[in-house]
Amino acid sequence: GESVGLHLPTLSVQEGDNSIINCAYSNSASDYFIWYKQESGKGPQFIIDIRSNMDKRQGQRVTVLLNKTVKHLSLQIAATQPGDSAVYFCAETPFSGGYNKLIFGAGTRLAVHP
Amino acid sequence: GAGVSQSPSNKVTEKGKDVELRCDPISGHTALYWYRQSLGQGLEFLIYFQGNSAPDKSGLPSDRFSAERTGGSVSTLTIQRTQQEDSAVYLCASSFPPSYEQYFGPGTRLTVT
Repeated sequence: GESVGLHLPTLSVQEGDNSIINCAYSNSASDYFIWYKQESGKGPQFIIDIRSNMDKRQGQRVTVLLNKTVKHLSLQIAATQPGDSAVYFCAETPFSGGYNKLIFGAGTRLAVHP
Repeated sequence: GAGVSQSPSNKVTEKGKDVELRCDPISGHTALYWYRQSLGQGLEFLIYFQGNSAPDKSGLPSDRFSAERTGGSVSTLTIQRTQQEDSAVYLCASSFPPSYEQYFGPGTRLTVT
């Protein structure tokens, strides 16, 4: 069946370093991918998204890379800060037209150490 | 403006009881989603509402689960005869198609004892 998974369940980084969180997806028909950040006790918060017709998209301190050949997605966080500590989820949707039944991965916990 | 709100924030119930979880989406958002998040897990899709269309109930795990959305706004997720495996955080999200971005509420933590 459809699935989205992550390579690393936990990631520890030093403050100021760059972080890379990876994600594999299995549905080659997926055309939209999203990264969410979830802090303890809160709902997921949108970080950045990317369409399947792109291979890179940049935001503020974050970059998402999409490799459709190997069905791999990554989130890069530059100059990681303590406030970046959270669980990060990738999600995909194979649907179009604004209806996105998101399929989430299990999540990666990012721990930023001073 | 106000985001998605959910109530209660925490609910403890005894096995076999029925529970109702409420979601207030962002005003004007026509799409509403329910997800379930078990401890240390990702989010599992439960049900989707879009305008006046028939809801997509394909994610509901059993017939003990049902949801309604009244007036195209507030939604209620009902779990009948709760079981311990129903213990999880139930998250609601809303969006305004054709935008793909879903806005999540803080969730309701359900504990079945």
